[in-house]
Amino acid sequence: EDKVVQSPLSLVVHEGDTVTLNCSYEVTNFRSLLWYKQEKKAPTFLFMLTSSGIEKKSGRLSSILDKKELFSILNITATQTGDSAIYLCAVGRWGYSTLTFGKGTMLLVSP
Amino acid sequence: DGGITQSPKYLFRKEGQNVTLSCEQNLNHDAMYWYRQDPGQGLRLIYYSQIVNDFQKGDIAEGYSVSREKKESFPLTVTSAQKNPTAFYLCASSTGTNTYEQYFGPGTRLTVT
Repeated sequence: EDKVVQSPLSLVVHEGDTVTLNCSYEVTNFRSLLWYKQEKKAPTFLFMLTSSGIEKKSGRLSSILDKKELFSILNITATQTGDSAIYLCAVGRWGYSTLTFGKGTMLLVSP
Repeated sequence: DGGITQSPKYLFRKEGQNVTLSCEQNLNHDAMYWYRQDPGQGLRLIYYSQIVNDFQKGDIAEGYSVSREKKESFPLTVTSAQKNPTAFYLCASSTGTNTYEQYFGPGTRLTVT
């Protein structure tokens, strides 16, 4: 059975802190790992990672994949209150259009 | 503007009633998905469809039914057989197999009392 495990499940930080969110996975025929941000309703796409060791970056957010150790991290530097959200990790497999999601990390950034 | 719409945003029903949630997309995507989200549970796949007139069960299909008569539309019916229907329901679409980026609608929050 495919498994995607995110940690921590929740996190409270102060504005300006740097946070690291973790996602480990056990899936057959791994193809890609995706990160989404869910603020109130619809999750919005952040990154898709398919190759090990190549960092994807967008502003203060960055992510990297380690296919040998089967995990990914999402870093957020200089956090702002607008970063408060649930961050979802999902994994896709070759030959399938479905994704397996983790339970998410709920991040709260306090002013 | 291209996107996915879900209606209604909030839905209240009495136990024992079937209810249908709407999902429409104008992205010309082939694949569509229904997820259920409970607090602290992430997203769990209910049903998905990769082509018109065809759909497959996801991980938690019991008590739900779907149809895919048009490419743009993928309605979900929550039947009275679903034991715990109160949840947040999300619809998503993607261009198809091996294209993993899914686009989500705003969701419908269903409360059954």
